[in-house]
Amino acid sequence: GNSVTQMEGPVTLSEEAFLTINCTYTATGYPSLFWYVQYPGEGLQLLLKATKADDKGSNKGFEATYRKETTSFHLEKGSVQVSDSAVYFCALRDSNSGYALNFGKGTSLLVTP
Amino acid sequence: DAGVIQSPRHEVTEMGQEVTLRCKPISGHNSLFWYRQTMMRGLELLIYFNNNVPIDDSGMPEDRFSAKMPNASFSTLKIQPSEPRDSAVYFCASSSAGFNEQFFGPGTRLTVL
Repeated sequence: GNSVTQMEGPVTLSEEAFLTINCTYTATGYPSLFWYVQYPGEGLQLLLKATKADDKGSNKGFEATYRKETTSFHLEKGSVQVSDSAVYFCALRDSNSGYALNFGKGTSLLVTP
Repeated sequence: DAGVIQSPRHEVTEMGQEVTLRCKPISGHNSLFWYRQTMMRGLELLIYFNNNVPIDDSGMPEDRFSAKMPNASFSTLKIQPSEPRDSAVYFCASSSAGFNEQFFGPGTRLTVL
């Protein structure tokens, strides 16, 4: 079946540091891949997505590239801010079902001044 | 435009009691999803409605859980009787079609004592 594996958190970084959160997946077919962000006390928000191999999703300085050969979709940001402190979820959507999202367990990020 | 609205935001109840969680999707969205988030299992899809009809309820844990969508602007998730292991954050999400971006509500944090 489909599954998503994220690096364990929490991740603590100083402001302006480089961020990488690893995500790998297992899926049949050709899934779409997503990163969602959850700020404290709020629901999940779509951060970026990629729908096919070699696509790069980007938003708010965050980037992730769909790597089919390594089944990965790592999230990166060149310079994090305190306001980026949140929980980040990697997810995939199966090309067969069309709607079901499989989420990773989330990675908590804390950015300190 | 208001996002997905969930109520209550927090619910504390005793084992054996009936719990009803409510969701108002974004106006015009015809797909609605209920998710459960726990530390152990992460985010799990419980049920998916399209045009008010349940399409996939394979994630509903057991008969104690039931969900309804009587009209396009309202859905409920009911647990009867509740058990301590039901303690979790329950999210509702909606989208303009099953395969489009899902917008999440702020969640209901349920504690069953």
